[in-house]
Parts: sequence; structure tokens; C-alpha cells
Amino acid sequence: ILNVEQSPQSLHVQEGDSTNFTCSFPSSNFYALHWYRWETAKSPEALFVMTLNGDEKKKGRISATLNTKEGYSYLYIKGSQPEDSATYLCASPNAGGTSYGKLTFGQGTILTVHP
Amino acid sequence: DGGITQSPKYLFRKEGQNVTLSCEQNLNHDAMYWYRQDPGQGLRLIYYSQIVNDFQKGDIAEGYSVSREKKESFPLTVTSAQKNPTAFYLCASSMGQLVSGNTIYFGEGSWLTVV
Repeated sequence: ILNVEQSPQSLHVQEGDSTNFTCSFPSSNFYALHWYRWETAKSPEALFVMTLNGDEKKKGRISATLNTKEGYSYLYIKGSQPEDSATYLCASPNAGGTSYGKLTFGQGTILTVHP
Repeated sequence: DGGITQSPKYLFRKEGQNVTLSCEQNLNHDAMYWYRQDPGQGLRLIYYSQIVNDFQKGDIAEGYSVSREKKESFPLTVTSAQKNPTAFYLCASSMGQLVSGNTIYFGEGSWLTVV
């Protein structure tokens, strides 16, 4: 089983603060790194999928970077808003003997943004 | 609208009973997945299917069974052999290979409680 880990487990910030969290994954046999946002009572939704070392992706105030050589990705949120409160999941696929691959998820980082 | 529909949203089961969770997608995706979430843990893969009439065990398949008779449907049966079935279950699907950077899409989940 692939080992994907996220830190911190939870985070409380004030509205307007910028924040970041980490996802670490095995650097060998790397295919891709996914970030998802999971708001309460909703389905998890994809934020980014990154495949290349040095990739940087941005969506509004949220951005992510990828370092496949050392096995980590950072997710940044600039100027956090209460609507950013959610669980942020990262995941990495491994082939696992299949052509499609299987996603292994980290435990998630629970972000709470206080007004 | 295209999406993944899971039902029921809440289900109570008596010990010793089998129950089936429904998952239907109209995204025309080839692959479908079942994940389980427990407090403090990441999503763990139960079963997945890449094509109709074919499916593979995930990391925690014991006590579960699935079928894939139609492309759009991937029901999960939680059998009486599952020792600790109380959990939140998420169904997901993907169009292409996760190892190639394709993302997965999730349903809204089903809560199963054993009483």
C-alpha cells in the first residue's frame, strides 16, 4: 500500500490569513499527485492534478506545488475566507497491477477559517 | 446534470444482515470505485472496476462484495462478515487512467450504521 501522509491534521486560521499544508508521498514510481477539497455535506471535488516535477497550479487564491524528487507537495491558500473551510485531501495513484491505477489518500487536513 | 448518485444517504442495519449501497453514474466513465472513511483515517479503497463485468479487490475488501453488470452501476454489498461496517462510504468514477493524471469524481456518500 502506498503511504501518503498529510500535515497538519487540522488548522485554525483567521479570515485574511494565508496558510499552507503538506502532502508527502513515496518518490519512487511516481505517476501523479491529486488535491481534493471536501466541504461538509458535499462530495469531494478535484482541485489539482499534477504530474511533473516542479509543477505549479493555481485556481483563484489556491495554489499547489510539486516536488517529485523529494516526495512532497504544498497547497497554499492566500487570504483565507470562511468559505475555504473544508477538508483538503491529497492522493497519489499507483499502478497496483492495473492499467487504470488506484488512488491512495492521505488522512486529510481539516481547515477552519474563523471570521 | 451529469454526476454520481448514491443511495440511500443513511442506512441502519441490524447485525447479521447484508445491505446493498447503490451507486449510479451518468458520466460515461469506464472505471468506478468504492471507498470507506472512518474518523481520523484517509479514504480506503474497498473495490474498483475498470470495465463492465470485471472488478478487483482494493485494500480492505474483506466482508464486501460488488458487481458491475452495467457501465453506469456499481453496487456495494456489505455482508454480515464485515466486522465493523459502521462507516461513511463514497463511490467514485473516472474516465481515464489515474496513473496518467486523470481525476476521479465522487458521489455524496452513504452513512451506514449497524444497530
